Amino acid sequence: DGGITQSPKYLFRKEGQNVTLSCEQNLNHDAMYWYRQDPGQGLRLIYYSQIVNDFQKGDIAEGYSVSREKKESFPLTVTSAQKNPTAFYLCASSIVPNTEAFFGQGTRLTVV
Amino acid sequence: AQTVTQSQPEMSVQEAETVTLSCTYDTSESDYYLFWYKQPPSRQMILVIRQEAYKQQNATENRFSVNFQKAAKSFSLKISDSQLGDAAMYFCAYRSAYGGSNYKLTFGKGTLLTVNP
Repeated sequence: DGGITQSPKYLFRKEGQNVTLSCEQNLNHDAMYWYRQDPGQGLRLIYYSQIVNDFQKGDIAEGYSVSREKKESFPLTVTSAQKNPTAFYLCASSIVPNTEAFFGQGTRLTVV
Repeated sequence: AQTVTQSQPEMSVQEAETVTLSCTYDTSESDYYLFWYKQPPSRQMILVIRQEAYKQQNATENRFSVNFQKAAKSFSLKISDSQLGDAAMYFCAYRSAYGGSNYKLTFGKGTLLTVNP
């Protein structure tokens, strides 16, 4: 089945550690996105990529990093510089220049 | 920059009745797309309906329809014959039709819909 897979579903890390969230898609989509969701905040864009080996900062990129070495994969690293990393993270993809984005099931990151 | 506003943090509806969720947006562009996404308790984001700004006809998908008022920059979602499975957080989203960095989706903060049996 085609779709977007995020792993793991739940992730716990100690404060000060970097952590990488996985996002893989087999939809042959060019564009991929990372969103952060906090209660009452809606979805905020962290990074996006429209093509392999290229990506741009979104609205809240500080403390995060990404790579796009393959079309299918867009991992997100939450670094120790991110002040409040505990959140729900959603990965999405879309055909550029098509319109709607399709989402993965999300990763709940808790930093203790 | 574009903004999307959902003025109703929470709404409730009786099963089988109709409910309308509001969304307004701000943009200087003439061509764009608007979406309603549903996020049930599983937290999976599901596309409910989309509207192209250049189309005057309002989009419909079964029990879901929109009222798109381009001049007023309003995009409301009507759910008819509400079902228990419609209970979810609903997000309105905007996307530019132009290229480059404008392909990103901008979301409102959401409306939590409760369906009462």
